[in-house]
Amino acid sequence: DAGITQSPRHKVTETGTPVTLRCHQTENHRYMYWYRQDPGHGLRLIHYSYGVKDTDKGEVSDGYSVSRSKTEDFLLTLESATSSQTSVYFCAIGGGGYGTDTQYFGPGTRLTVL
Amino acid sequence: QKEVEQNSGPLSVPEGAIASLNCTYSDRGSQSFFWYRQYSGKSPELIMSIYSNGDKEDGRFTAQLNKASQYVSLLIRDSQPSDSATYLCAVGGGTSYGKLTFGQGTILTVHP
Repeated sequence: DAGITQSPRHKVTETGTPVTLRCHQTENHRYMYWYRQDPGHGLRLIHYSYGVKDTDKGEVSDGYSVSRSKTEDFLLTLESATSSQTSVYFCAIGGGGYGTDTQYFGPGTRLTVL
Repeated sequence: QKEVEQNSGPLSVPEGAIASLNCTYSDRGSQSFFWYRQYSGKSPELIMSIYSNGDKEDGRFTAQLNKASQYVSLLIRDSQPSDSATYLCAVGGGTSYGKLTFGQGTILTVHP
C-alpha cells in the first residue's frame, strides 16, 4: 500500500457521535486525499490537502472536516455521524502535479453508523 | 464539473480472450489518465498511467489514449480468472489540478 496506513480499519458507531479517521504516510508525498466509496457511486472525493495546514473541499464535503498538522498525517472527522456516512473510506497520497499525480491508496476503513 | 464515464458492466469474457474496457471524459484539458484495479474488499491499485496519445503496453495490459475523441481504453490480453475485478478509470489535470476524477468502475469477470 505504498507506505500508507489507515486507522481504525473497522469502526461501528452510533448516530450523533463524533468519529475521527487517521491516515499516515511514510512517503513524504505533498498531496493527501480522503475518498468515500459506495455501491453505484464509485470513488468520491471528500477533502484533500496540498500541504501542511492547506486543505480544500471535494465533491462530497458536507458533514466532514479535515486537518493536517504534519506532512505524514491527514485526519478526517465526522463531527456528528449520520447513517448516510456509512461507507468505506480510502486515504490516498500523490504528488499532485503533471507526471506526479498518480495516487496510491491506503487499505481503507469500513465505517458503520447505526 | 468534470465527468468520467465507463462502459457499463458487468463484462464477462472467457479465459484467454481479450477484455476491452472503455472510458470517456468531459474535460478537454485533462492531461493525466489512469487505470486502477480493485479486488472485492480491497483498495484500488494502479495498473497503468498514460499521458500521451497512442498506446502504452505493460505485459498483458495496453492503455490507449485519444485526446481528440476524449477517450481512453484498457485492453487485457490473454485474460485470466485472476483478472476478475472492478476496473476504475481516473482522469486528472485540466480544471482539476492535483485531483483525479474517477469513473464508476466496470466489473470484469473472466470465466474458465
